[in-house]
Amino acid sequence: EAEVAQSPRYKITEKSQAVAFWCDPISGHATLYWYRQILGQGPELLVQFQDESVVDDSQLPKDRFSAERLKGVDSTLKIQPAELGDSAMYLCASSLPRRGYSYNEQFFGPGTRLTVL
Amino acid sequence: GENVEQHPSTLSVQEGDSAVIKCTYSDSASNYFPWYKQELGKGPQLIIDIRSNVGEKKDQRIAVTLNKTAKHFSLHITETQPEDSAVYFCAAITIYNQGGKLIFGQGTELSVKP
Repeated sequence: EAEVAQSPRYKITEKSQAVAFWCDPISGHATLYWYRQILGQGPELLVQFQDESVVDDSQLPKDRFSAERLKGVDSTLKIQPAELGDSAMYLCASSLPRRGYSYNEQFFGPGTRLTVL
Repeated sequence: GENVEQHPSTLSVQEGDSAVIKCTYSDSASNYFPWYKQELGKGPQLIIDIRSNVGEKKDQRIAVTLNKTAKHFSLHITETQPEDSAVYFCAAITIYNQGGKLIFGQGTELSVKP
């Protein structure tokens, strides 16, 4: 069964350091999402890609976060510099591309748990 | 923007009992309501969904109801089993032409005791 792959699964870093997370979506899924899930809360969308283009990054803290999907397949989310408040689970999801008013299920990866000390 | 409130935050039931989780949403334009199950160490997985033109949907032991007037929707699990123990999230989205984003509730930690 096809799955969304993420690495690393766990990351511990000190504040002010740079961290990067990688996501490989399900083959054929043109839409890719990065979510942040703080402990005890639901996921919150950070950025959405359609192929290599950003569709929505309104909740991405652009002063320290960046995301790219250069070839429209895998994606990297970077934080520089990391702050204590960035400790959370970072989830990647993918779906088939939307056509008009259709909605396609988002498939989530296992996430990367980030701890900032 | 949309806001989704979910209750209760924790729920403990005996195996075989029913469990009900309730959500309210604020944006009357929301038209799609999925429910996700998240097991420890895993990402959320879609278990059932409902669209705004439907009042109820059932899939084996799981059912979802939607009250558009009151802006409420609920997840019902019957004959609970220990493997139902997980965190459950409701979500809402307003689907417009190639747009819209999921807004999640805060989650309910369900514990089913044997």
